[in-house]
This record gives sequence, structure tokens and C-alpha cells, in this order.
Amino acid sequence: ILNVEQSPQSLHVQEGDSTNFTCSFPSSNFYALHWYRWETAKSPEALFVMTLNGDEKKKGRISATLNTKEGYSYLYIKGSQPEDSATYLCAFMGWDGTSGTYKYIFGTGTRLKVLA
Amino acid sequence: GAVVSQHPSRVICKSGTSVKIECRSLDFQATTMFWYRQFPKQSLMLMATSNEGSKATYEQGVEKDKFLINHASLTLSTLTVTSAHPEDSSFYICSAKKSGRGYEQYFGPGTRLTVT
Repeated sequence: ILNVEQSPQSLHVQEGDSTNFTCSFPSSNFYALHWYRWETAKSPEALFVMTLNGDEKKKGRISATLNTKEGYSYLYIKGSQPEDSATYLCAFMGWDGTSGTYKYIFGTGTRLKVLA
Repeated sequence: GAVVSQHPSRVICKSGTSVKIECRSLDFQATTMFWYRQFPKQSLMLMATSNEGSKATYEQGVEKDKFLINHASLTLSTLTVTSAHPEDSSFYICSAKKSGRGYEQYFGPGTRLTVT
């Protein structure tokens, strides 16, 4: 069974603080790792697609790193702003030998609240 | 852009009735669309993969006769929850993949189904 875990489940930070959270995934049969930002009542918005071990991606104040050998990815937000408040989801894409297909497995998300 | 709409956003229905949810890619063609379900405090769980012009592929444990999926065009997939029961109450969300373009998925805003 492919399992993707995110931590922490939720966190509150003050405006201006930097923060980071973790996505853990199976280290075998890796194909891609996606990060999404999901604001309440809106569609999840793709942030990053990461495919190579050691990948680092950046979009404004948000960046992400990938370690496929140990099965984790970090998402960093520098100088958090209230508009960063959202749930951040990661999704692992990998080969599932049991079903013989690629699987796309979401974590439960990290709910970030940035306090003004 | 890559916008996916979903309709309705909320629906309340009586037990035993059927409910249809539409997922549309507004500005791109999507050979493949995905249907997910999310129960409270859980991750998005893939229910089925919908391919235009062919039968949907259902994940293990998802009843294909209960959750009817039709993907009749490159921009529209529908999910019909037949003979809905209170345990079908959940958040249903679709995503679409651009035809022939990598693995990125674009999500709709989701549908909250409540069965009374």
C-alpha cells in the first residue's frame, strides 16, 4: 500500500515568519511529486511538479526540495503573509506493483494559518 | 490558463435519489479526467480515472454501478451517484489532465454532496 504523510497537520505562524512542512512518500517506484495550494472554496492550485532527486523549485517566496532516495519533500515559505493561508497538499505519483499501474496518492495536507 | 469548473458546488438530495456532478475543462482539451472523494480530515482518494470515449477505470473498492462515470467529450466528464445514501455524503472533486501534456492535473473547486 502506498502511503503519503504530511506534517504538521496544521500550524499557525505570525506574519513575516518563515515556515516549512514535510511530505513523506515511498522511496521506491518514484515517478513525480506534486505540491498544491488549496484555499477554501477554491480549486487546488498546482505549485510545483518535481521529478528528479535533488530538485529544488522556487515560485516567489515559496520553494520546495525533493529527496527521492529517502522519500521526502520540504515546502518552504519565506516571510509568510496572511494570503499564504491555505492547505498545502502533496501528491506522490509512483508505480504500484500490486495493481500494475501508476498511482497518484495525496497526503492529508498541512493547514497553514498566517496571523496578521 | 487551465480552468476546470465543477457543477453543482453543493447539492442536498434525499436518500435513494441520483445526483449528477459535471466536470468541465473550460480552456483546454482533457483526454483524461479524474474523480476524487474526500471524507472529513482525510486525504483526497482517487475513485476513478475517466478517459474520453472509453470506460472509466475504477479504483479498488469503488462500486462502478453506484458511481457512473461518463466522459463523452474532450471537455466534459460526469459522475452520477446512483441511489444515494447518507454514507455517500462527501466532498467530490474532479481534475483534468491536458491531452498529451505530462502529468500535471488541474482541479475543479469540488462538490459537497449531502444525502439526507
